[in-house]
Amino acid sequence: NAGVTQTPKFRVLKTGQSMTLLCAQDMNHEYMYWYRQDPGMGLRLIHYSVGEGTTAKGEVPDGYNVSRLKKQNFLLGLESAAPSQTSVYFCASSYRGTRSEQYFGPGTRLTVT
Amino acid sequence: DQQVKQNSPSLSVQEGRISILNCDYTNSMFDYFLWYKKYPAEGPTFLISISSIKDKNEDGRFTVFLNKSAKHLSLHIVPSQPGDSAVYFCAASRGHSGAGSYQLTFGKGTKLSVIP
Repeated sequence: NAGVTQTPKFRVLKTGQSMTLLCAQDMNHEYMYWYRQDPGMGLRLIHYSVGEGTTAKGEVPDGYNVSRLKKQNFLLGLESAAPSQTSVYFCASSYRGTRSEQYFGPGTRLTVT
Repeated sequence: DQQVKQNSPSLSVQEGRISILNCDYTNSMFDYFLWYKKYPAEGPTFLISISSIKDKNEDGRFTVFLNKSAKHLSLHIVPSQPGDSAVYFCAASRGHSGAGSYQLTFGKGTKLSVIP
């Protein structure tokens, strides 16, 4: 039981490049989330999904797209990376959406130069 | 506008003593609160939660207190151990359904150092 895994762990991009971050969970959770954490800041929600085939915007969605084609996977895409997207990205999943703890992956450290 | 505030960026405590981490919130719609613990280079891990219908919840060495009138919660760790050294995040959510109910709003975190 791996819990929540994220690929890759580290990545360096040049401005304007694109990439996809992959999140996978093996807990059969319905809800999945993408957060970013910047220095001295708490985690901020980018996008989330309440089930396979659904996605919704969070607090800071601009510049990102997501897809949830399979229940266990949640993809975060950057179409044209910008230095402001340098951050640590965390994926999380939960059994329910409300009053439910979220389980986090180990994070992806992304640097955009 | 920061809806969840952890005003102490850091806290140092001697091993065996009590650690008290504080959190304030401004949104009266929040009715479910969680504490997460984060080690460097790892994702946050869930520690303890409390619903607004309670004012206290205990789990072993960890107790969370909620004062709704003051919009304040605190995490007590007794006794503190060196392995407790980590960043602690307070988070809040609106428990009812509807837009925004799935979102956790996090504070900026408090770095706890437990000195042996």
